Amino acid sequence: GENVEQHPSTLSVQEGDSAVIKCTYSDSASNYFPWYKQELGKRPQLIIDIRSNVGEKKDQRIAVTLNKTAKHFSLHITETQPEDSAVYFCAAPPRGGNTPLVFGKGTRLSVIA
Amino acid sequence: EADIYQTPRYLVIGTGKKITLECSQTMGHDKMYWYQQDPGMELHLIHYSYGVNSTEKGDLSSESTVSRIRTEHFPLTLESARPSHTSQYLCASSELDGRAYNEQFFGPGTRLTVL
Repeated sequence: GENVEQHPSTLSVQEGDSAVIKCTYSDSASNYFPWYKQELGKRPQLIIDIRSNVGEKKDQRIAVTLNKTAKHFSLHITETQPEDSAVYFCAAPPRGGNTPLVFGKGTRLSVIA
Repeated sequence: EADIYQTPRYLVIGTGKKITLECSQTMGHDKMYWYQQDPGMELHLIHYSYGVNSTEKGDLSSESTVSRIRTEHFPLTLESARPSHTSQYLCASSELDGRAYNEQFFGPGTRLTVL
C-alpha cells in the first residue's frame, strides 16, 4: 500500500521567512496530492492540492511542487505570518485509486514574530 | 449552508459504556470517513463508506462499528469504551467522482474522555 513520509515533524521560522515541508510517497501511480492545514483547536482544511499532470501550483503565498520521478512533493509558504502557525498534513492516494487518502504524520509550523 | 455536523462536541463517560458519535453532512457527498486524532497529531482512519449500505474498515477499526443507512448520516459506535479511546474523533466527507480524488471536508470533531 501507499506509504507517505512527511518532514520535518516540527519547523520554526521567523516571520517573513519562507517555510518548506516535504512529503515522499511510494506508489508511482499516485495522481493527487493535497495539503491540509489544521489550526489549534480547529478542523483540518484543504489549502492547496495538485494533480500529477502539473509540476507546480501557486495560490498567493503558498505553492506546491511535484517531482514525479523522485516521488516527492513539497509545500512552500513565503513571507510567513503568525497566522500560518498550524499543523500541516500532506496526503496521497493508495494504489488502486478507490480507497481513502493516506495522510502524512504532520508538520507543526511555528512562525515567530 | 452546506456543512458537516458532529454531536456531541464533548463527551465524558465511564469505562464500559456504549456510545454513539453522530455525524451528518448536508453537502450531498457519497464518501464519508471517521478519523481518530490526538490534538495536532497523526490522523488515523477508523472506518469509511462510499455510499449507502457500504462500509469498510480502516487501520484502527477493531473496537468500533459504523452504519450508513442514509447518505447524509454516518454514526460511529464504541461498544465498550476504554480509557485508551480518549481522543478526538473527526468525521469527513468528499464527493464521489469515479476514481478521482477530491477535497475532504472535515467536521468540527467530538472530544471524547473515558474515565
